[in-house]
Amino acid sequence: GDSVTQMEGPVTLSEEAFLTINCTYTATGYPSLFWYVQYPGEGLQLLLKATKADDKGSNKGFEATYRKETTSFHLEKGSVQVSDSAVYFCALRRGATNKLIFGTGTLLAVQP
Amino acid sequence: DTGVSQNPRHKITKRGQNVTFRCDPISEHNRLYWYRQTLGQGPEFLTYFQNEAQLEKSRLLSDRFSAERPKGSFSTLEIQRTEQGDSAMYLCASSLGGTTGITEAFFGQGTRLTVV
Repeated sequence: GDSVTQMEGPVTLSEEAFLTINCTYTATGYPSLFWYVQYPGEGLQLLLKATKADDKGSNKGFEATYRKETTSFHLEKGSVQVSDSAVYFCALRRGATNKLIFGTGTLLAVQP
Repeated sequence: DTGVSQNPRHKITKRGQNVTFRCDPISEHNRLYWYRQTLGQGPEFLTYFQNEAQLEKSRLLSDRFSAERPKGSFSTLEIQRTEQGDSAMYLCASSLGGTTGITEAFFGQGTRLTVV
């Protein structure tokens, strides 16, 4: 079945460091891919998305490129801030099923 | 209408009791989803509605769980005879779907259930 695998956390970085959170997926067909973020005490928020191969999603300085050849959608940011501290979830949505399939989440802690 | 609203935010109940949660989606959204999130895990799909029709249910949704969306607007999720394993965050999301595709899902803040 469809699945998403994320790198385990926590990821601890100093402010202004470069961030990469790895995400790979298994799915038939051509899923849409998403990154959601969950700040402490809040619900999930869509961070960025990509709907087809080689698309790059970007938002708030974060980027991820849909790589079909490696079935990956790694999240990157060039310079993290303390306010980026949150749990990040990679997810896929395939075709008409409508449901999202999430990875287990990666906790990011950014220290000043 | 500022987003998906869920009530209550927190619920503590004794094992064996019934609980009901409510979700109010974004008003123009015709699709509504329920997910369950346990500690340290990503959300897992439970069920979804298009308007008032329940179109898909996960195997996670045992017979003790029932969801409704009677008028195609708000939805309720009821858990009967709660068990400690039901303790989790229950998330609701909504989106707009049609023949041209679907929008991304917007999530509520969730209802945290603790069964003691």
